[in-house]
Amino acid sequence: GENVEQHPSTLSVQEGDSAVIKCTYSDSASNYFPWYKQELGKRPQLIIDIRSNVGEKKDQRIAVTLNKTAKHFSLHITETQPEDSAVYFCAASTDSWGKLQFGAGTQVVVTP
Amino acid sequence: NAGVTQTPKFRILKIGQSMTLQCTQDMNHNYMYWYRQDPGMGLKLIYYSVGAGITDKGEVPNGYNVSRSTTEDFPLRLELAAPSQTSVYFCASQGGGPTYEQYFGPGTRLTVT
Repeated sequence: GENVEQHPSTLSVQEGDSAVIKCTYSDSASNYFPWYKQELGKRPQLIIDIRSNVGEKKDQRIAVTLNKTAKHFSLHITETQPEDSAVYFCAASTDSWGKLQFGAGTQVVVTP
Repeated sequence: NAGVTQTPKFRILKIGQSMTLQCTQDMNHNYMYWYRQDPGMGLKLIYYSVGAGITDKGEVPNGYNVSRSTTEDFPLRLELAAPSQTSVYFCASQGGGPTYEQYFGPGTRLTVT
């Protein structure tokens, strides 16, 4: 089955700097890659997603890039703010509707 | 719209006891999921359903059972609770488009002692 690895497990950045989280996946049939943000004690919420027919997608300060050949995808957060502090999870699926395989998560801490 | 709701919020069980975690969504979504979240381990899929009357196993189904008699409800049953089932349980639902987002409930924190 699909295996998703996520790095780093923790990331500390200064406010205003950029943060990058990387994930690799094993199943070449995977075609849907969402990113979820989970604040402390809260539920996960989708922040951005990308399908395999697209190489990059942006939404304000966040962007996701996908390299299908290397089977990895990354989340980029620019101009980080304290409210970006959270755990971020990547996931992969062979279908937009259905089972997601999640990475282990990255704890992002933005320090003022 | 309440979205996805879960009850209870917290529960402590003794080893060998049973319980049902309730999940309800009011968005008329066909797809529903149960995940468990252990510290530092991400989300693991327990069971999922693609519509009323249809369920299937996820990655970690042992020790759990589900049913889906209506579109709205997707209860998770724990039989003979074990300490290894101590976790936070999230229910999620997913609709038919245009977004592929899975909407999560607030979670149930379960401790088995």
